Amino acid sequence: DADVTQTPRNRITKTGKRIMLECSQTKGHDRMYWYRQDPGLGLQLIYYSFDVKDINKGEISDGYSVSRQAQAKFSLSLESAIPNQTALYFCATSAGGATQYFGPGTRLLVL
Amino acid sequence: AQSVTQLDSHVSVSEGTPVLLRCNYSSSYSPSLFWYVQHPNKGLQLLLKYTSAATLVKGINGFEAEFKKSETSFHLTKPSAHMSDAAEYFCVVSESGANNLFFGTGTRLTVIP
Repeated sequence: DADVTQTPRNRITKTGKRIMLECSQTKGHDRMYWYRQDPGLGLQLIYYSFDVKDINKGEISDGYSVSRQAQAKFSLSLESAIPNQTALYFCATSAGGATQYFGPGTRLLVL
Repeated sequence: AQSVTQLDSHVSVSEGTPVLLRCNYSSSYSPSLFWYVQHPNKGLQLLLKYTSAATLVKGINGFEAEFKKSETSFHLTKPSAHMSDAAEYFCVVSESGANNLFFGTGTRLTVIP
């Protein structure tokens, strides 16, 4: 969905490096989410935010942190990347109902 | 607790034949149910959703799904497969009023010419 953008689209990094994945949306939604997708699995929720001052841990938050800089921006950081964080990462937004709208994903490889 | 089981990890059909992707869910409350599609190297696109209105839900690209509470199922169907339908399909559940989505493991649909 072009209304939800993620940068970078692809990233290769080394073990121990700190990296940030960024998400921006023009849908005007208050709620934003970060998921990771591993091969053969569905998406798992890392963190979610209901507004700029409300951030919550999801199922698999260990090793990750987030920052909600503005209503339209939600960043995911890996403080010290490790190989098992190699995955496809998706950002999503919602207006308060259950329907979420996803970005195109960021493919991350940790060597 | 909520969960979703997609009964087939891979489905293969011939072009022009019907598609059936199976999904069973578990939810303590009235669920919202979704099907998302993911084309190769693309993000997830919402196909259709059920949120306690009509049990037969029509989505984009000719897909539809029927909510069957007695069977706790939400199977996705399409009368005639097209080559462009080849993708990964995810069944997703959310408890009504909640924001967290729970994803199935996905079904990869292959369409044979």
